Amino acid sequence: DAMVIQNPRYQVTQFGKPVTLSCSQTLNHNVMYWYQQKSSQAPKLLFHYYDKDFNNEADTPDNFQSRRPNTSFCFLDIRSPGLGDAAMYLCATSRAQAGYEQFFGPGTRLTVL
Amino acid sequence: QKEVEQDPGPLSVPEGAIVSLNCTYSNSAFQYFMWYRQYSRKGPELLMYTYSSGNKEDGRFTAQVDKSSKYISLFIRDSQPSDSATYLCATPNSGYALNFGKGTSLLVTP
Repeated sequence: DAMVIQNPRYQVTQFGKPVTLSCSQTLNHNVMYWYQQKSSQAPKLLFHYYDKDFNNEADTPDNFQSRRPNTSFCFLDIRSPGLGDAAMYLCATSRAQAGYEQFFGPGTRLTVL
Repeated sequence: QKEVEQDPGPLSVPEGAIVSLNCTYSNSAFQYFMWYRQYSRKGPELLMYTYSSGNKEDGRFTAQVDKSSKYISLFIRDSQPSDSATYLCATPNSGYALNFGKGTSLLVTP
C-alpha cells in the first residue's frame, strides 16, 4: 500500500540536544510538509517542499530546519530542542495540483527532558 | 481572528445518533473545505472535501458548506463507536498550507 512512513514513532531527547526526525513516502508526491501539533491544538505548518524548493512559514523558528535529499525522503532537524518543542510532528504529502488533499504519516511524538 | 474556528468539544453521543460538527471561517476567498479525521496517536486522514457551496454525501457522512454565513458542517448519520475520533475542519490558504480548526473530539458510546 502506498503510504507515508515516519520514524521513529517516539523520540525522547534532552534539552538542547539536536534531534532528527525522518519521513518517507511511496506515493511519489511532489509536495512534502512538516506540521507541529501540540496537545489539543490544530496542526501548524512549519515548512513544505515543492520538489526541491523549500518554503518556510514566516513564524517557524530558526531552530527548525529541513532537508529533502530526494523525492521519497524528508527530514526535520531540531537544532537545540527546548521544552516548548515537545509535540507531535506530522509529515504529509500531496500532489502539486491537489494541495487540499494531504496524506499524513502517523507522526513522531517528541519528548524533551 | 483565526482563519478557522472550531468548537473543541468533547462531544459524547450514544451509538446510532446523528452527529453535527461545525466550523466557521473568516476568508470569503476560500473555495475548498476539508474534513480530516484523526484517531488517537495517529495522523489525520482526509475524510471528505467540498468545493464552493453545497452538500456532498459519502455513505453516512455529509459535508455542507454555506458560504453566505462562512459556515461548514459535517453530519454523521447512524454514528458508530468506530467514529470516535477528533474531527478537524480545514481550508487551504493561497499557498499549500492548510488552515486547520482545533478539532472536535467525538465519543460514540455503545
